[in-house]
Amino acid sequence: GENVEQHPSTLSVQEGDSAVIKCTYSDSASNYFPWYKQELGKGPQLIIDIRSNVGEKKDQRIAVTLNKTAKHFSLHITETQPEDSAVYFCAAGGGGSYIPTFGRGTSLIVHP
Amino acid sequence: AAGVIQSPRHLIKEKRETATLKCYPIPRHDTVYWYQQGPGQDPQFLISFYEKMQSDKGSIPDRFSAQQFSDYHSELNMSSLELGDSALYFCASSARLAVNTGELFFGEGSRLTVL
Repeated sequence: GENVEQHPSTLSVQEGDSAVIKCTYSDSASNYFPWYKQELGKGPQLIIDIRSNVGEKKDQRIAVTLNKTAKHFSLHITETQPEDSAVYFCAAGGGGSYIPTFGRGTSLIVHP
Repeated sequence: AAGVIQSPRHLIKEKRETATLKCYPIPRHDTVYWYQQGPGQDPQFLISFYEKMQSDKGSIPDRFSAQQFSDYHSELNMSSLELGDSALYFCASSARLAVNTGELFFGEGSRLTVL
């Protein structure tokens, strides 16, 4: 089955800095890579996703890159704000399974 | 836009009791997933249903069962509750015919506390 590794587990930045979270996956058949943001006491919310036919996708301050050869993908947040503080999960899916496998999560703390 | 609705949001039970969680998917979504999330953990997949039939099975204990009804809502039944069952339980839904890779939309979760 799929195995997703996510790093770092905790990331602390100053407001306005950039934050990068990296994930690797094991199943080369995976072709869908969503990122979820989970605030305390709430459900994970899809913030951006990328499919294997593109290498990069951007949505305002958030971007995701995918390297299929190396089997890794990353989330980039620019100009971080305190409200970006949350736990971020990457996931990998497709490849015959409808169940995306989650990474262990990254706790992002943005200091004002 | 309508989201995934879960009830109850909070539930407190004693050991060995039974609990039932409900999930109402986004309209026109045909697939429902159940996840369990312990403190500081990533969501663990329990079970999913597509068109009212069990689709995939994850780490769901034998003490738990679930089903999806004709209106596509789903219920997770948990019996003989143990302290370790205390967790956040999330339901997610997707439209499998629209995407083939499991683009999931999560509800706000039900927090179960077993005393």
